[in-house]
Order: sequence, then C-alpha cells, then structure tokens
Amino acid sequence: NAGVMQNPRHLVRRRGQEARLRCSPMKGHSHVYWYRQLPEEGLKFMVYLQKENIIDESGMPKERFSAEFPKEGPSILRIQQVVRGDSAAYFCASSVGQGDPEQYFGPGTRLTVT
Amino acid sequence: RKEVEQDPGPFNVPEGATVAFNCTYSNSASQSFFWYRQDCRKEPKLLMSVYSSGNEDGRFTAQLNRASQYISLLIRDSKLSDSATYLCVVFASGTYKYIFGTGTRLKVLA
Repeated sequence: NAGVMQNPRHLVRRRGQEARLRCSPMKGHSHVYWYRQLPEEGLKFMVYLQKENIIDESGMPKERFSAEFPKEGPSILRIQQVVRGDSAAYFCASSVGQGDPEQYFGPGTRLTVT
Repeated sequence: RKEVEQDPGPFNVPEGATVAFNCTYSNSASQSFFWYRQDCRKEPKLLMSVYSSGNEDGRFTAQLNRASQYISLLIRDSKLSDSATYLCVVFASGTYKYIFGTGTRLKVLA
C-alpha cells in the first residue's frame, strides 16, 4: 500500500510564476489536507478537501491560492503569481475520514521562489 | 491563547535518560489526540495516538488528562535516534481539523 505521494519534491519558481503542487492520498483515503511549514515554524493548516468538495479553506490566503481534489486524479494546490514569502515546505496529508482520524503525511514539496 | 501549546525546548538529555513532554489544548470539544515526530526537513510521522486510558508502545507512553486539557509523552531509555521534534496534534471531529502544536525539540546526547 503506497503512502501519500507528492510531486514535485522540489520546485523553483520566479516571482510572478504559477506553482502547482500535487498530492495523491493513500489508497482508501478520501480526505486530504494541505499544510504549509515555514522554516523553523510549525505546520499551519491551509485547506481540507474531500473528493470534489472543499470542506474547509479557512487557513488558505484568499488571493492567489486555490485547491481542488477532483473525482479522478490527485489533489492540486495552486499558487498563482508567487512571491518570495510563499517559499516554504507544503505538506499534504490524507486520512480515511469518519471513524479513523489518523492522518498520514506525504514527503512534502519544497517551494523556492527566486 | 494558542489552541495547542508546547514548550519548544530544546530538551538536551543524555542517552538512557527518561524525558517527558507536555502539551495543553484549549478546545474542550477536542476528541482525538496524537503525537507525531518530525525529523529535520522531513514530513511528520505518526508516533502514536493518545487514548483516554493512556497507552504504551515500547519505550513511549502517552497520557491524556481531559479535565486539565493536557496530553503528555514519556520516552524512556532515550536513544540518539530519538532526536527530533515532537508535535502534539489535536483533532475535533466536528470540524475535521487537526491543530498542530509548534513542536518540542529533543536532542539526545552521546
């Protein structure tokens, strides 16, 4: 049973470009969470999705950031017009959902904005 | 007040020592509790869930005190490989949100 997969592992973008981060949850998991971690800081919740639904996006900036989890394919976190402050590690986690709240993390995508 | 609070440390302990971390949470509706371990520049990994009756996994023991709203992690016979940041995580089923503490850094010294 493959774990949570994220790609790319490292992403370099110039200011103003778009960044697309992908997350494939563990098999059988239908809940996906995205977190951001700045250097030397804790994980900050960004968004919680189920298939085709955004359940809670209260941690995501209102502008430039969007997320989706389509019926088929991975979850995508999209950052438009990136700025230097977007440089961080972005982790995706998945869980089964109701009845089993344990969540498992992917290896993360390290975004560097130059 | 932060929703989940941890002492950032670092806790520097010699090999073989016993070390304990506490974590307090503010939302009394919180229902599930976890300890995660995060190594430098890696993803958090689930160490153990924390049950009301307390639970043990080898050298690790977790306790939950709902009345005082804190959880603890005890590590016995510390190994060099235990050096990491330990994250306290609280989950409220009503919101399906996981709230992470900022972590406690542990350094086990030879």
